[in-house]
Amino acid sequence: EVQLVESGGGLVQPGGSLRLSCAASEFTFSSYWMSWVRQAPGKGLEWVANIEEDGSEKYYVDSVKGRFTISRDNAKNSLYLQLNSLRVEDTAVYYCARERDNSGDFDYWGQGTLVTVSS
Amino acid sequence: DIQMTQSPSTLSAYVGDRVTVTCRASQNISSWLAWYQQKPGKAPKVLIYKASSLESGVPSRFRGSGFGTEFTLTISSLQPGDSTSYYCQQYDSSPYTFGQGTKLEIK
Repeated sequence: EVQLVESGGGLVQPGGSLRLSCAASEFTFSSYWMSWVRQAPGKGLEWVANIEEDGSEKYYVDSVKGRFTISRDNAKNSLYLQLNSLRVEDTAVYYCARERDNSGDFDYWGQGTLVTVSS
Repeated sequence: DIQMTQSPSTLSAYVGDRVTVTCRASQNISSWLAWYQQKPGKAPKVLIYKASSLESGVPSRFRGSGFGTEFTLTISSLQPGDSTSYYCQQYDSSPYTFGQGTKLEIK
């Protein structure tokens, strides 16, 4: 059974940084595009970033460009999201998700990790 | 960016009813549309992909249709466990975007 397990969330002050991790198992991680999707408390879903199979291509939503960095380590079957210059509006549950056949819909999701930005 | 407009935002229906949720894209996205169901405190779960393909294991009462800019999710006979939130998502082009969601309630 495909598993995605996020970690690294927590409480951080505005302007601070966090690094989220997503451990993948039971599939060939290096063969899939991967994404981060977030959901602010009581709000809808927002795609944040994605990364190609070998990490050479990366895309971001405008609101996080220059502040967040997506990366991956295929040897460790792990996906990462570095969050810098955090803002109150970045408060959300962050999910990692696998893109089906690299087409852009998400066939597997992790359970999410909560990032709270507050002073 | 492609805007996804989902309606209605809330929907109330009886068990056994046929219900429809609509999603409109601000430009042509061909069939690059997915529907997700999300229960409180849980990750979303894909129901439909490529506009009308039913995800493995999803009950056949869920059906997706549409092409281009207008799409629908239909539940043919509403069940109590279907009372939750639903989202559409376009993946024709980056940034991927979601509809604002539909909260479905049982009367």
